Amino acid sequence: SAVISQKPSRDICQRGTSLTIQCQVDSQVTMMFWYRQQPGQSLTLIATANQGSEATYESGFVIDKFPISRPNLTFSTLTVSNMSPEDSSIYLCSVEGGKHLAKNIQYFGAGTRLSVL
Amino acid sequence: AQSVTQLDSHVSVSEGTPVLLRCNYSSSYSPSLFWYVQHPNKGLQLLLKYTSAATLVKGINGFEAEFKKSETSFHLTKPSAHMSDAAEYFCVVSDFYNQGGKLIFGQGTELSVKP
Repeated sequence: SAVISQKPSRDICQRGTSLTIQCQVDSQVTMMFWYRQQPGQSLTLIATANQGSEATYESGFVIDKFPISRPNLTFSTLTVSNMSPEDSSIYLCSVEGGKHLAKNIQYFGAGTRLSVL
Repeated sequence: AQSVTQLDSHVSVSEGTPVLLRCNYSSSYSPSLFWYVQHPNKGLQLLLKYTSAATLVKGINGFEAEFKKSETSFHLTKPSAHMSDAAEYFCVVSDFYNQGGKLIFGQGTELSVKP
């Protein structure tokens, strides 16, 4: 499997501010994804982070609100912009496709627990 | 379109008794199906995966699931629950060959294990 580190693990933020979440993998991976898990809810895919090009966003998510970077094959960031209390969620990074990873399986980080006041 | 329905939002069992977590799926293609577990304040861990090989899939920690195409079901079972099994369980469907790596998650089932 892969070691996936997310930073920060949790944060409390004021409305109107932005938070950047980092996802670091210990080996090169083909795919990186960002999910949101709202309180008491299931996971929803925000976007696929593409290395060297713009992320691919799912319906209901836009780049201005959730800018994503992926500068290389081991690292990605998700920014939650102009936050409101409705953005309070767990944000999870997942990866798929690497030399040491089983095919067609996504591996998840521990998540970032965000509370917006 | 693909979808997943977990039939129980919460299941409570006694330690040492069997566990059954129910999942039905809808998919236009040949799906891949997964069960993930999420312990409090931890990330998701893959329990098992079905990808059109054997219909009975064995996973980690004594869990297994049976793919039944006629019933569009993929229920998760374990013969004897342990206290450490208490967690949130997600049934997930995907179609890698037609829709890339996108995962569709069920709403989750919270498993409680009583002493």
